[in-house]
Amino acid sequence: EDQVTQSPEALRLQEGESSSLNCSYTVSGLRGLFWYRQDPGKGPEFLFTLYSAGEEKEKERLKATLTKKESFLHITAPKPEDSATYLCAVQFNSGGSNYKLTFGKGTLLTVNP
Amino acid sequence: NAGVTQTPKFQVLKTGQSMTLQCAQDMNHEYMSWYRQDPGMGLRLIHYSVGAGITDQGEVPNGYNVSRSTTEDFPLRLLSAAPSQTSVYFCASRRTADTEAFFGQGTRLTVV
Repeated sequence: EDQVTQSPEALRLQEGESSSLNCSYTVSGLRGLFWYRQDPGKGPEFLFTLYSAGEEKEKERLKATLTKKESFLHITAPKPEDSATYLCAVQFNSGGSNYKLTFGKGTLLTVNP
Repeated sequence: NAGVTQTPKFQVLKTGQSMTLQCAQDMNHEYMSWYRQDPGMGLRLIHYSVGAGITDQGEVPNGYNVSRSTTEDFPLRLLSAAPSQTSVYFCASRRTADTEAFFGQGTRLTVV
């Protein structure tokens, strides 16, 4: 069973059409949740870290929020350059493995002009 | 700062060959990891290190070896390449156990 699930798998938006991406996790004891952006042929690029429920972080058109079981990445008035795969990674409190990140499979976002 | 540097960017191996994927970081980070990324699978942890001389296995360690003789370098060795090891490999480093990971640009490996 996947511990980290991202939805939808793919999302196509028109420029200016706001929407949200979801990252849900099933294991208790969250240590941190990370959002990354990945462009084709490149390594993941860090966007946000969230540590506790109720926390929010914002950067340009992106806003990340966290509840006890999921996180949302809200994209307001997206532009074509926001097209990328967005990855969520979760770090759990798990004894000797506190350091490890568990990644979701990502959401492929396409923004059409 | 170059950040995390991986070499080579592309590699084709024959089944049974061995090779080393290089990873270097210039941020003085203690924590380094290797991941593989396959279509529909997400990033999966192969091996990680919490400091020079300390390494441990991740989720998919079979067929790979690592060592960490310096803070800067964390090479990944494929002992006898198999087609199942065809993938894109990413190296990452973190300043502490709770901060964000910085990723290299990846190595695309094809085993034929």
